Amino acid sequence: EDQVTQSPEALRLQEGESSSLNCSYTVSGLRGLFWYRQDPGKGPEFLFTLYSAGEEKEKERLKATLTKKESFLHITAPKPEDSATYLCAVTSGTYKYIFGTGTRLKVLA
Amino acid sequence: DADVTQTPRNRITKTGKRIMLECSQTKGHDRMYWYRQDPGLGLRLIYYSFDVKDINKGEISDGYSVSRQAQAKFSLSLESAIPNQTALYFCATPHPGDGNTIYFGEGSWLTVV
Repeated sequence: EDQVTQSPEALRLQEGESSSLNCSYTVSGLRGLFWYRQDPGKGPEFLFTLYSAGEEKEKERLKATLTKKESFLHITAPKPEDSATYLCAVTSGTYKYIFGTGTRLKVLA
Repeated sequence: DADVTQTPRNRITKTGKRIMLECSQTKGHDRMYWYRQDPGLGLRLIYYSFDVKDINKGEISDGYSVSRQAQAKFSLSLESAIPNQTALYFCATPHPGDGNTIYFGEGSWLTVV
């Protein structure tokens, strides 16, 4: 059964304090691993899609990496506006998207 | 994004009432999804559809039904709402230029009292 586990559940950082969020997954035939950002009461906002181990993608202060068992979302020198919940999801050939429970990030000024 | 529109955005309904949440998308993709979000439980898949005649149950379909009226429209119904169906509901569909990534609507807050 496809499964996604995210850690930590919550993270508090000082502004400028870099850190990483983890997404561990098990899936039969990975077709894609996805990172989303979600603000309270809003729909998830797409950040990255990763397809194969070794792949990396960057956007502003965020960098996503992928191995055969996990993905990391690295946040470099975060700002208060980076505060949000970050969601990880995977899909296989069935096109069912399975989500983790997310990491709630709070960046303090 | 995939221009996903959900209506209503907020609804309060009484236990036992029938309620329908509607989703429409403007990009013409075949696949559409309904998810439910509860605090601490993440996004859970209710139903998904690959086209008008292909509808599949997700992990929490009990108490829900769906209708794919057209390629662009996918509705979620609660035939007899109960309080533990109070949640935030999201519709999603891929962008035509990126068929593997799904994009979400803004969500429908449903409160069952």
